[in-house]
Amino acid sequence: AQSVAQPEDQVNVAEGNPLTVKCTYSVSGNPYLFWYVQYPNRGLQFLLKYITGDNLVKGSYGFEAEFNKSQTSFHLKKPSALVSDSALYFCAVRYILTGGGNKLTFGTGTQLKVEL
Amino acid sequence: DAGITQSPRHKVTETGTPVTLRCHQTENHRYMYWYRQDPGHGLRLIHYSYGVKDTDKGEVSDGYSVSRSKTEDFLLTLESATSSQTSVYFCAISEGTSGNTGELFFGEGSRLTVL
Repeated sequence: AQSVAQPEDQVNVAEGNPLTVKCTYSVSGNPYLFWYVQYPNRGLQFLLKYITGDNLVKGSYGFEAEFNKSQTSFHLKKPSALVSDSALYFCAVRYILTGGGNKLTFGTGTQLKVEL
Repeated sequence: DAGITQSPRHKVTETGTPVTLRCHQTENHRYMYWYRQDPGHGLRLIHYSYGVKDTDKGEVSDGYSVSRSKTEDFLLTLESATSSQTSVYFCAISEGTSGNTGELFFGEGSRLTVL
């Protein structure tokens, strides 16, 4: 079964410092991996995805993620955190459903708190 | 933002009552999904639809049914609500594997409280 794990429930970082939110995956075959962000009382917003190619993927709002096949990881990163980045972050892996749709299996989420 | 509208956005109901949540999209996407979000569980798939009148179960489908009579509308029904169904429910849409590489676009959520 496809799955992802987010080992940290919460990450705290000071504004201006680099941030990393961790994700590891377990899939058969080549993984399609995603990061989403959720602000309070809002739906999930797509940040970035890894399909194939370069291991460093760039996404929205200055975020990037590094795919590491040997470590089965897909960590989310940002060189300089902003207070406005404080939110709940979800890693997800794609599974193709009967009928052709995409099921995303999500991790349990990591709460990012950026402090002044 | 993707054109997805969920209604109602908030609902409080009593155990044993039926509840229907509605998802309406203006993107003409083929695939629609219902997820529930609970602390410590992330988001879990309840049901999905791959076309009008074509639906299938997800991983937490017990106690839920769905219907899709039009491309734009996907209804989630709790026939007899229980306290364990207190959750935030999200509708999502996607074009499918041929149209894209897997992104889902989410609605704003419907918060359901079952007393």
